[in-house]
Amino acid sequence: EDQVTQSPEALRLQEGESSSLNCSYTVSGLRGLFWYRQDPGKGPEFLFTLYSAGEEKEKERLKATLTKKESFLHITAPKPEDSATYLCAVRSTNAGKSTFGDGTTLTVKP
Amino acid sequence: ETGVTQTPRHLVMGMTNKKSLKCEQHLGHNAMYWYKQSAKKPLELMFVYSLEERVENNSVPSRFSPECPNSSHLFLHLHTLQPEDSALYLCASSQEGQGSGYTFGSGTRLTVV
Repeated sequence: EDQVTQSPEALRLQEGESSSLNCSYTVSGLRGLFWYRQDPGKGPEFLFTLYSAGEEKEKERLKATLTKKESFLHITAPKPEDSATYLCAVRSTNAGKSTFGDGTTLTVKP
Repeated sequence: ETGVTQTPRHLVMGMTNKKSLKCEQHLGHNAMYWYKQSAKKPLELMFVYSLEERVENNSVPSRFSPECPNSSHLFLHLHTLQPEDSALYLCASSQEGQGSGYTFGSGTRLTVV
């Protein structure tokens, strides 16, 4: 069974204070690892897909990286508008669905 | 707008009522999903319709019944719900075969009283 564990559960940063979120996963064969952002009262918004170890994707202040066991979402010089819950999900080669982690709630203080 | 539209946004229903949630996607995707999101819990897959085939999560109670009349529309029929069914119900779509992420709607906030 696919498993996804995200840490920390919550993260509070000062504006401009860079940090990373972790997503550890177990799958029989990785078809894709996905990062989403979710704002309160809204559905998750797709950010990145990573397919193989060593791959990196960037979008504004966010950079996602992937190894064979985990993925990191690096946030460089965050701003208050980056405050949200960040979700990680994996899809294995023999599953027709994505398995989600519990998420990390990020709060960036001005 | 994400291209996936859910209605209603909010729903309050009694335990003896029957209601339906609606989802419509305008992205040309070939798979649609219902997810349940409860406080302090990860997203829980309820149903998948992929290439017109329905895949169920066997732990979903029979008081939830999905319907997918075509590749653009998805319904979740609700009857005799329990208070613990109160949650955010999210619809998503994707293009299977491309390994792409899901596009989610804004969800229906359901409260069972």
